[in-house]
Amino acid sequence: GEDVEQSLFLSVREGDSSVINCTYTDSSSTYLYWYKQEPGAGLQLLTYIFSNMDMKQDQRLTVLLNKKDKHLSLRIADTQTGDSAIYFCAERVGGGYQKVTFGTGTKLQVIP
Amino acid sequence: GAVVSQHPSWVICKSGTSVKIECRSLDFQATTMFWYRQFPKQSLMLMATSNEGSKATYEQGVEKDKFLINHASLTLSTLTVTSAHPEDSSFYICSAAGTQNSPLHFGNGTRLTVT
Repeated sequence: GEDVEQSLFLSVREGDSSVINCTYTDSSSTYLYWYKQEPGAGLQLLTYIFSNMDMKQDQRLTVLLNKKDKHLSLRIADTQTGDSAIYFCAERVGGGYQKVTFGTGTKLQVIP
Repeated sequence: GAVVSQHPSWVICKSGTSVKIECRSLDFQATTMFWYRQFPKQSLMLMATSNEGSKATYEQGVEKDKFLINHASLTLSTLTVTSAHPEDSSFYICSAAGTQNSPLHFGNGTRLTVT
């Protein structure tokens, strides 16, 4: 079955890099996503990576995928106070409208 | 980019009444939409998959008679919480994708409080 795990909390200083980690169990994942949720708001898609990719970079965001270890990470360069939020990783298994399973979420706190 | 609009953003209702939440895809057609529920400080739990023109598929443990889903058009799905009780108070979020290979885009959620 699918199980996606994340650490619950991360605190970094403004300007430093943040690395949020995620592990998943289903080796047949096709897509892996990172979403951001600010207080009281819905989820905002930040980026996603296909399972046949190792890395994807989009401006300040870098996603690394280690399929062997079933490990996904999101690196935020030059972290700003506006990056403070909860970050969810999610995996989709199989094609079509298969269920997307979300991790527990990592709360990122950026200290000015 | 794809936009999903959800309405209302928050609602307070009395116990025993029903509440309808709307989810619209604004710039794309979505044959399938998803309804999630989020408890405080917890992750999202999929409640049901809403299919245009057919019955919704509910996850195990979700009462289909309590959470009525209607997906009447390619851009609108509604979730009605019937005979709401305080334990139904939660944050409900919908999502949709334009194609089967597209990532999910989410609405801003609806905070439901049942008194």
